[in-house]
Amino acid sequence: GNSVTQMEGPVTLSEEAFLTINCTYTATGYPSLFWYVQYPGEGLQLLLKATKADDKGSNKGFEATYRKETTSFHLEKGSVQVSDSAVYFCALVRRTGNQFYFGTGTSLTVIP
Amino acid sequence: DTGVSQNPRHKITKRGQNVTFRCDPISEHNRLYWYRQTLGQGPEFLTYFQNEAQLEKSRLLSDRFSAERPKGSFSTLEIQRTEQGDSAMYLCASSFEQGLTELFFGSGTQLSVL
Repeated sequence: GNSVTQMEGPVTLSEEAFLTINCTYTATGYPSLFWYVQYPGEGLQLLLKATKADDKGSNKGFEATYRKETTSFHLEKGSVQVSDSAVYFCALVRRTGNQFYFGTGTSLTVIP
Repeated sequence: DTGVSQNPRHKITKRGQNVTFRCDPISEHNRLYWYRQTLGQGPEFLTYFQNEAQLEKSRLLSDRFSAERPKGSFSTLEIQRTEQGDSAMYLCASSFEQGLTELFFGSGTQLSVL
């Protein structure tokens, strides 16, 4: 089947610390991979995406590389800010599929 | 276009009552999705429409749930005879048909069944 597994939170970091949120996936074929972010009281927003192996998605200082050999799509940021505090969801969609599969989310709190 | 709009933002109801939520997608998007999200979990797929046709429904969607998208524009999700287990955030999302490269989400409707 299709599924996404994320590292469990919550994660608390000091401002300017390095962030890694792990994500691994199971899927038939070659899915597209996404990171979505949900700020308090808001809907999910696309943060970045990668559509094929070795692609690197990046946005707002966040990066993730599609690793087919390890079926992973880990999210990284070199220096987090208080404004990055949110819940982060890893997701996949199969190329021939019609629905997204989401991980359970990882809550990040950045303290000054 | 201001994005995907959902109403109401919050709904409190008593067990056994019927509730209806509305979603207005981004106007040029022909795909519309409903997801359910409970605390500490990721969104779970419920159903999706391509234009006015409902093409797929999750096994999570019991007979008490029904969704419509008349004329391929806005959509409604109705829950009949609500149960406490229906308490969740109901998310609507829309996308272009081709490529399925991104879902655009609304802010959701938070349902509390007392």
